[in-house]
Amino acid sequence: AQKVTQAQTEISVVEKEDVTLDCVYETRDTTYYLFWYKQPPSGELVFLIRRNSFDEQNEISGRYSWNFQKSTSSFNFTITASQVVDSAVYFCALPRKDKLIFGTGTRLQVFP
Amino acid sequence: KAGVTQTPRYLIKTRGQQVTLSCSPISGHRSVSWYQQTPGQGLQFLFEYFSETQRNKGNFPGRFSGRQFSNSRSEMNVSTLELGDSALYLCASSLEPLAGGWNEQFFGPGTRLTVL
Repeated sequence: AQKVTQAQTEISVVEKEDVTLDCVYETRDTTYYLFWYKQPPSGELVFLIRRNSFDEQNEISGRYSWNFQKSTSSFNFTITASQVVDSAVYFCALPRKDKLIFGTGTRLQVFP
Repeated sequence: KAGVTQTPRYLIKTRGQQVTLSCSPISGHRSVSWYQQTPGQGLQFLFEYFSETQRNKGNFPGRFSGRQFSNSRSEMNVSTLELGDSALYLCASSLEPLAGGWNEQFFGPGTRLTVL
């Protein structure tokens, strides 16, 4: 069965700290994609990244980076030098055909 | 390019009433999906439309229905509202159906429905 686990319910950090959000997935598919979304207090789910299982290279986009490891079925997300604006709930998602299976989300609070 | 828009943003209804929510996808996107988000159940898939056809439906009662118009705009309807229907309803659009992640899916701001 397709499943996404985000074991960290809530993380609090002080500005400028680095923080890693964990995502562990289960799938029987040999080829698959994974997504990360950010949900700020406004409620909208903001698309962050989509990765294919063929590509295990780390992805870096500004202060954001993603570490994809098929051997441990993990797709972790790191924010470097966190800022208050990073405060949000972050979701990892695994597509199953035409729908997304979401994890329960990790609430990140960044304090000044 | 404008993003996914949803109207209304907030709704308050009473039990037994019905409600219609609207979603306009990103220009050029032909696939629209709906999700329900509640504190207890998290994000759950409701249904997906493509070319005016419902292609997939999640595990929700028949009170939840939807449709898609020729311009790709979509509406979802909930009849005989129950307290448990209080949730954030999110609409997502993609160029084509998600197809296992082949296409990226972008979400709107949601409609927050409160049932009293």
